[in-house]
Amino acid sequence: EADIYQTPRYLVIGTGKKITLECSQTMGHDKMYWYQQDPGMELHLIHYSYGVNSTEKGDLSSESTVSRIRTEHFPLTLESARPSHTSQYLCASMGLAKTQYFGPGTRLLVL
Amino acid sequence: GQQLNQSPQSMFIQEGEDVSMNCTSSSIFNTWLWYKQDPGEGPVLLIALYKAGELTSNGRLTAQFGTTRKDSFLNISASIPSDVGIYFCAPSPDGGYGGSQGNLIFGKGTKLSVKP
Repeated sequence: EADIYQTPRYLVIGTGKKITLECSQTMGHDKMYWYQQDPGMELHLIHYSYGVNSTEKGDLSSESTVSRIRTEHFPLTLESARPSHTSQYLCASMGLAKTQYFGPGTRLLVL
Repeated sequence: GQQLNQSPQSMFIQEGEDVSMNCTSSSIFNTWLWYKQDPGEGPVLLIALYKAGELTSNGRLTAQFGTTRKDSFLNISASIPSDVGIYFCAPSPDGGYGGSQGNLIFGKGTKLSVKP
């Protein structure tokens, strides 16, 4: 089973600030994902990576960017946060047999 | 794109009752996963299915991979208050091992509320 960590768990910031949401996993998984989810709603894939130096945009257009310099680390950055970015952001990694393991999420509120 | 329908959207049940929910699609899938999400947390994997017709149990949970490979069912027996949460189906066009780079597709979720 994967150990996957996200920080911060909660973040309240002002409009225009640059933020980075951290995601790390300790299982050596190549595939990692970022989802955006409004409370009680479905998950939308915004970014994914199949390995170091590989990043792709997901199904939902997002103004965020990601990087994958190390296998265990997949941070998401918003250069200039806006109230429309308020949401929960979930990071996941994929182990064997297509099973994705999720972190606890970061709940972002942009004022 | 691939359409995935999960139903019901929400349900209120009495403690001790059995629960059924399902996902259907017009597309064929080779993997079906079921997740549960508690409020404020990330989804947790409940059951994974890799073969058409497969029936798998995890405690009070039972899930089946439909024989047409276009649907899957999740049943919860004798529900208890901690079953409250949102349940998501998540199929993939790829098989369990190997395959191409297909990602999971998540249903809209079934919100389960239990009256104690």
